[in-house]
Amino acid sequence: DAGVIQSPRHEVTEMGQEVTLRCKPISGHDYLFWYRQTMMRGLELLIYFNNNVPIDDSGMPEDRFSAKMPNASFSTLKIQPSEPRDSAVYFCASTRQGPDTQYFGPGTRLTVL
Amino acid sequence: AQTVTQSQPEMSVQEAETVTLSCTYDTSESDYYLFWYKQPPSRQMILVIRQEAYKQQNATENRFSVNFQKAAKSFSLKISDSQLGDAAMYFCAYRRGRGAQKLVFGQGTRLTINP
Repeated sequence: DAGVIQSPRHEVTEMGQEVTLRCKPISGHDYLFWYRQTMMRGLELLIYFNNNVPIDDSGMPEDRFSAKMPNASFSTLKIQPSEPRDSAVYFCASTRQGPDTQYFGPGTRLTVL
Repeated sequence: AQTVTQSQPEMSVQEAETVTLSCTYDTSESDYYLFWYKQPPSRQMILVIRQEAYKQQNATENRFSVNFQKAAKSFSLKISDSQLGDAAMYFCAYRRGRGAQKLVFGQGTRLTINP
């Protein structure tokens, strides 16, 4: 299996620009998670989906962040407009229903100048 | 709300020696899962070991084992025969059972292996 795939691996953008991060979960997994990792806040869950439906978005910082999952094999996390404080590593993870383990993608390192 | 605490920001050990990383958690649930993830410099999050709370036996995976003390809400990771490739950030994580999926992470412990 190819594992969880994220793109891009690195993104550098300027403040005010729109940023779109992409994720392809492991085939057959019906849960998808977006995490953000920063030095100050550690790893925090932003949002997760079950069968393409958002279940818990309480970790989404503000309206500038949005996430979609149009089908079982693709999800996006969008930041518009981006700000320097959004600089972080963003991880996507997936798992199956039940007591299964979450498998993480390689992450996207976002730098907002 | 559940919380996970790793009280050791940094640890170091000599190659081939044994090291123990500490983790405590707070929950009122009886059904839950605990995990240790490793994050090397490549930043990939890699599962090291998992423990189901209903299991009394401590989980082991080759050189990695845990000491799960449910009453004390403690979940430490022991790495035996440390290798240079074990150098990484280690994160303890908690997940409530009964269909819940959200992982709560500790702040991490940076492990250095001295040759």
